Amino acid sequence: DVKVTQSSRYLVKRTGEKVFLECVQDMDHENMFWYRQDPGLGLRLIYFSYDVKMKEKGDIPEGYSVSREKKERFSLILESASTNQTSMYLCASTQLWLGSSGELFFGEGSRLTVL
Amino acid sequence: AQTVTQSQPEMSVQEAETVTLSCTYDTSESDYYLFWYKQPPSRQMILVIRQEAYKQQNATENRFSVNFQKAAKSFSLKISDSQLGDAAMYFCAYRSLETSGSRLTFGEGTQLTVNP
Repeated sequence: DVKVTQSSRYLVKRTGEKVFLECVQDMDHENMFWYRQDPGLGLRLIYFSYDVKMKEKGDIPEGYSVSREKKERFSLILESASTNQTSMYLCASTQLWLGSSGELFFGEGSRLTVL
Repeated sequence: AQTVTQSQPEMSVQEAETVTLSCTYDTSESDYYLFWYKQPPSRQMILVIRQEAYKQQNATENRFSVNFQKAAKSFSLKISDSQLGDAAMYFCAYRSLETSGSRLTFGEGTQLTVNP
């Protein structure tokens, strides 16, 4: 089974702090994603990566950056956390091949509170 | 850009009964995938069922089935013989096969309560 592991389930940070959310997958997937989940808004894509050192902006990249130095690890960085970044953050991965559906495999989520 | 809409923020069903969750989407593409994901309380999101647009037959996975109406751009999920373990947030999602690589676009979610 694919396992996607997010380093922290719950975090509480102060406004202005730098925050790192780590995600590791064990299935050699090339594609990794960071989504943000808010009530009534569903999941919104922040950033994604198709390969090591490659990244692309999703729908809401402002205030976030990412790092993918190794294939299995995809980090989300909040350079200066703000209260409106209080949310649930979900990491996901997938591997595409001809005929595949591109099903995403998710981590358990990281609930971030910024005070 | 594609959009996915789930118009029912909350639904409830009695144990052993049937419930249908609605999903509509907007796209100009002809080939794509549609998914239903389940997110139980404090647990990770898992895939319930998938449907490729070019396949006319509705997908079925045990007690879960879909009603895929391509012309109407509708993709509803039917849960039969509901169980307490079906209580969760359900998300509908769309993946283009023509653009956007492997990214999925999600709806707002429907919170399903199962009453004993």
